Amino acid sequence: SAVISQKPSRDICQRGTSLTIQCQVDSQVTMMFWYRQQPGQSLTLIATANQGSEATYESGFVIDKFPISRPNLTFSTLTVSNMSPEDSSIYLCSVGASGANVLTFGAGSRLTVL
Amino acid sequence: AQSVTQLDSQVPVFEEAPVELRCNYSSSVSVYLFWYVQYPNQGLQLLLKYLSGSTLVKSINGFEAEFNKSQTSFHLRKPSVHISDTAEYFCALSGGGRRALTFGSGTRLQVQP
Repeated sequence: SAVISQKPSRDICQRGTSLTIQCQVDSQVTMMFWYRQQPGQSLTLIATANQGSEATYESGFVIDKFPISRPNLTFSTLTVSNMSPEDSSIYLCSVGASGANVLTFGAGSRLTVL
Repeated sequence: AQSVTQLDSQVPVFEEAPVELRCNYSSSVSVYLFWYVQYPNQGLQLLLKYLSGSTLVKSINGFEAEFNKSQTSFHLRKPSVHISDTAEYFCALSGGGRRALTFGSGTRLQVQP
């Protein structure tokens, strides 16, 4: 399965600032997904990042708040904009190889917003 | 719409006892089912999956789950748990042409000595 590297692994941010999370995969993948895991909660899909087209956002998530880039088949970024304490979460990148139905997850980026 | 329900938020159990973590799902299309495990302060790891074929699937560390279409369930079982099995367990599904996973709320398995 693919190996995913996420950066940063954790960060403490000030209210009103923005932070960009990077997801690097060791192989080319067609679909990448960004999830959020709020403290003590399950995982919620934010968006699907497609190479060469706009990301597809789930209900409740908007591009202005969570802009996503997908410049190639091995890399994606998620920006959390104008952060508030409610954005304190673990953000996870996930990929699924073409033809496979299993998703592999990165270790996550733990953000704390003060 | 698809959904996953994990009825038990926490399951305390003594070491070497059997355990069952319940998972029920709802979907109008055929689904693929998964159990992921999240050990303390670690990322999410695939534990086992049901894609097709035999309805009983097993992991390398002694867990097994059975896909029951009539009951719309995919319960996770282990006949004898270890302290090291203490973790959060998430049931998830995909299907209907949608690759993204829908997760249940998770069950915290706490194995006590």
